Amino acid sequence: EVLLVESGGGLVQPGGSLRLSCAVSGLPFSSNSVNWVRQAPGKGPEWISSINGRGDYTLYADSVDGRFTISRDNANNSCHLHMSSLRVEDTAVYYCARGATGSILLQPAAEAPRWFDPWGQGTLVTVSS
Amino acid sequence: DIQMTQSPSSVSASIGDRVTITCRASQGIGTWLAWYQQKPGKAPKLLIFAASNLQSGVPSRFSGSGSGTDFTLTINSLHPEDLATYYCQQGNSFPRTFGQGTKVEIK
Repeated sequence: EVLLVESGGGLVQPGGSLRLSCAVSGLPFSSNSVNWVRQAPGKGPEWISSINGRGDYTLYADSVDGRFTISRDNANNSCHLHMSSLRVEDTAVYYCARGATGSILLQPAAEAPRWFDPWGQGTLVTVSS
Repeated sequence: DIQMTQSPSSVSASIGDRVTITCRASQGIGTWLAWYQQKPGKAPKLLIFAASNLQSGVPSRFSGSGSGTDFTLTINSLHPEDLATYYCQQGNSFPRTFGQGTKVEIK
């Protein structure tokens, strides 16, 4: 069974920093992209970042580009999201999700994912003074 | 960015009813569309990918259709456990974008 577990959320002041982690098990980690998707209270999900299996290609949403950095440690099956210059509007539940692709059969995506499956349980980040 | 617009924003239906949710993309995305189910307090779960392909383990009462800009998620014979919010997501281009959600309530 593929399992993703996020950690590192909490309360932080505007302008502060936070590092989220995603521990992954049940799959060949370096063959799978990892993605962060957040969901503000009462809103739909928002994709914010992806990293490919080798860790040499990253993508960011404009809303976080230049402030957030995604990385991965393939030796320890983990992915991290370093968030800096946090804003009140960054308040959300942050999910990590395995990237998937395919048009007939669902397959793991080592590179840019089409879909997100499965997701972790999420970690809450609250940015407030 | 591709905007995804769902309708209705909420629907109330009885057990056994058929429920239809629509999703419209602001530009053509072929069949690069997924549907997710999110139950209260839980993470989203992939139901359908590539517009019409059921993810493994998803009940056959769920089905998807459409291409281009207009897509539909249908729940045939609504079950009590289908109480959830449903989101569409386009997989055609980055940034990947989601609809605002459709909340399915049981009458």
